[in-house]
Amino acid sequence: AQTVTQSQPEMSVQEAETVTLSCTYDTSESDYYLFWYKQPPSRQMILVIRQEAYKQQNATENRFSVNFQKAAKSFSLKISDSQLGDAAMYFCAYRTSFNFGNEKLTFGTGTRLTIIP
Amino acid sequence: NAGVTQTPKFQVLKTGQSMTLQCAQDMNHNSMYWYRQDPGMGLRLIYYSASEGTTDKGEVPNGYNVSRLNKREFSLRLESAAPSQTSVYFCASSGGRRNNEKLFFGSGTQLSVL
Repeated sequence: AQTVTQSQPEMSVQEAETVTLSCTYDTSESDYYLFWYKQPPSRQMILVIRQEAYKQQNATENRFSVNFQKAAKSFSLKISDSQLGDAAMYFCAYRTSFNFGNEKLTFGTGTRLTIIP
Repeated sequence: NAGVTQTPKFQVLKTGQSMTLQCAQDMNHNSMYWYRQDPGMGLRLIYYSASEGTTDKGEVPNGYNVSRLNKREFSLRLESAAPSQTSVYFCASSGGRRNNEKLFFGSGTQLSVL
């Protein structure tokens, strides 16, 4: 079974600075998807970014980018120019690519990010 | 733009009571899921339904049952609630490749079992 580990329960960053959230995973598969989801106090789950394992290029979405190291099974999220609205719980998630029509995710335990004004 | 709708948003039960959490999606997705979220444990999959008429156990299915009533609706039932089932429950759906493998989540149900 796949596992996802987020070793930083809490992180904080000054507004406008850059922060990196860590995620490692364990799998024997060669093709899969990785995601970062954001959960603000509203409890809504919001997709931040996704990465397909067969793509070597790191995904980016505006101020959010990932450092995907397939051999090391590492998938970190970098948030640049941090804003107060980035304060939330962030979850790393894994999904196999082989179960067509069944997109269940395995989640990490989350990192709570605090933005310091 | 309703997306995934969960009801109720909050519920308090006494130990031994039963209840059903309702979930409906209007995006014509084949797959639907129920997760529970507990502090320090992330989201864990309870049950999922890859398509209408099929359901499968996830990581933590004990104490729960599900029904995929039709393509739109996927309900979660607690037959005899226990304090260990106090949690936030999320329903989700997915449309596969046409939605970039993204899961769409409901807004969650905060359940307390006393």
